[in-house]
Amino acid sequence: GENVEQHPSTLSVQEGDSAVIKCTYSDSASNYFPWYKQELGKGPQLIIDIRSNVGEKKDQRIAVTLNKTAKHFSLHITETQPEDSAVYFCAASPSGAGSYQLTFGKGTKLSVIP
Amino acid sequence: DAGITQSPRHKVTETGTPVTLRCHQTENHRYMYWYRQDPGHGLRLIHYSYGVKDTDKGEVSDGYSVSRSKTEDFLLTLESATSSQTSVYFCAISEFRGNEKLFFGSGTQLSVL
Repeated sequence: GENVEQHPSTLSVQEGDSAVIKCTYSDSASNYFPWYKQELGKGPQLIIDIRSNVGEKKDQRIAVTLNKTAKHFSLHITETQPEDSAVYFCAASPSGAGSYQLTFGKGTKLSVIP
Repeated sequence: DAGITQSPRHKVTETGTPVTLRCHQTENHRYMYWYRQDPGHGLRLIHYSYGVKDTDKGEVSDGYSVSRSKTEDFLLTLESATSSQTSVYFCAISEFRGNEKLFFGSGTQLSVL
C-alpha cells in the first residue's frame, strides 16, 4: 500500500517568514495530493490540493509543488501569520471512482512566533 | 463545519462495553468516512460508505462495524471496546467520488478504560 512520509514533525518560524513542509510517497499510482490544516480541538480542513497533471498550484499565500518523478510534494506558506499556527497533514491517493484510501502523513506542527 | 455533527463529543467507557458513535450530515453528500487519529499515526481510515447501505472497510477496520440506513447518518460501532481503541474519531463527508475534498467533523474523543 501507499506510504507517506512527512517532514519536519515540528516547525517554528518568525511571523512574516516562509514555511515549507515536505512529503514523499511510495505508490507511483497516486495522483491526488491534498493538504489539510488542523487547529486545536477541531477537525482537519482542506486548504489546497493538487493532481499529478499539475506541477504547482497557488492560492494566495499557500502553494503546493509536486515532483512525480521523485515522488515528493511540498507545501509552501509565505508571509506567515500567527493564525497559520496549526498541525498540517499531507496525503496521497489514487483518484477517481473506486479510490477511497487516502493515506495521510503523520503531521507537522507549525508554530508562528509573533 | 459543512453541516456535519458528531455525537457524542466525548465519551468514557469501560473495556468490553459496546459503543456507538454517530455522524449526521445536512449536506446530502454521497460519501461518508470514519477516521481515527492517534499520536504518531496521523489519520487512518476505518470504514467508508459510498451510498445508503453501501459500506466497505478501510485500513484499520478490525473491531469496528458501520451502518448507513439513511443518507444523512453514518454510525460507527465498537462491538466490545478495547483500550487500543482509545482515540479521537473523525467523520468526514464528500460529494466527490473517491476521497477528494473531504469535510471533517469536530471529532469524538473516546477513552476506553
